Amino acid sequence: SQQGEEDPQALSIQEGENATMNCSYKTSINNLQWYRQNSGRGLVHLILIRSNEREKHSGRLRVTLDTSKKSSSLLITASRAADTASYFCATFGGSQGNLIFGKGTKLSVKP
Amino acid sequence: DAGITQSPRHKVTETGTPVTLRCHQTENHRYMYWYRQDPGHGLRLIHYSYGVKDTDKGEVSDGYSVSRSKTEDFLLTLESATSSQTSVYFCAISETYRGGSPLHFGNGTRLTVT
Repeated sequence: SQQGEEDPQALSIQEGENATMNCSYKTSINNLQWYRQNSGRGLVHLILIRSNEREKHSGRLRVTLDTSKKSSSLLITASRAADTASYFCATFGGSQGNLIFGKGTKLSVKP
Repeated sequence: DAGITQSPRHKVTETGTPVTLRCHQTENHRYMYWYRQDPGHGLRLIHYSYGVKDTDKGEVSDGYSVSRSKTEDFLLTLESATSSQTSVYFCAISETYRGGSPLHFGNGTRLTVT
């Protein structure tokens, strides 16, 4: 059962531009997490934001959470070719016993 | 990177044969998980473990079994492999309860069932 749904499914930008990915979900959550997956590798945790938080930063990453709209966004500023990867949101809470992942946004950053 | 090793990294097997995938961690984390990743479906939880000999089913557990006899090892067994089980399998670990802390993933096992 999919909870989070990322938008867009694919995004192509030039190096130096900002990349914004969105995640919408259906039920109440305790936290929302963002992960990155490089081709052929496992997922890497980026940021966890709790339901009582609105914004978190980590380096060039900024995550926002709007629980009234049941949505989150991940902003990567000044993107680099090395940011090319798939990005997944995952939600936990409510009736969910475990973390549930969306299908991901595939980001391509062209040098 | 968290100390998680999956073996084998690649496997081709025939329909009807049993297959066991291994996940080994050096982090002493209590929680371990097996996910499968398929195009169009994202990551789906197969089974998870909350301690030695303590396991439970996830979203897509039919046709799979797991065992955890030591903290560091979590085995996934396909009892009789089918073509629908062709997938990339990821093991993950977490320090605290199931969604309350980040998951750390291994690099996956690509399984092809012919």
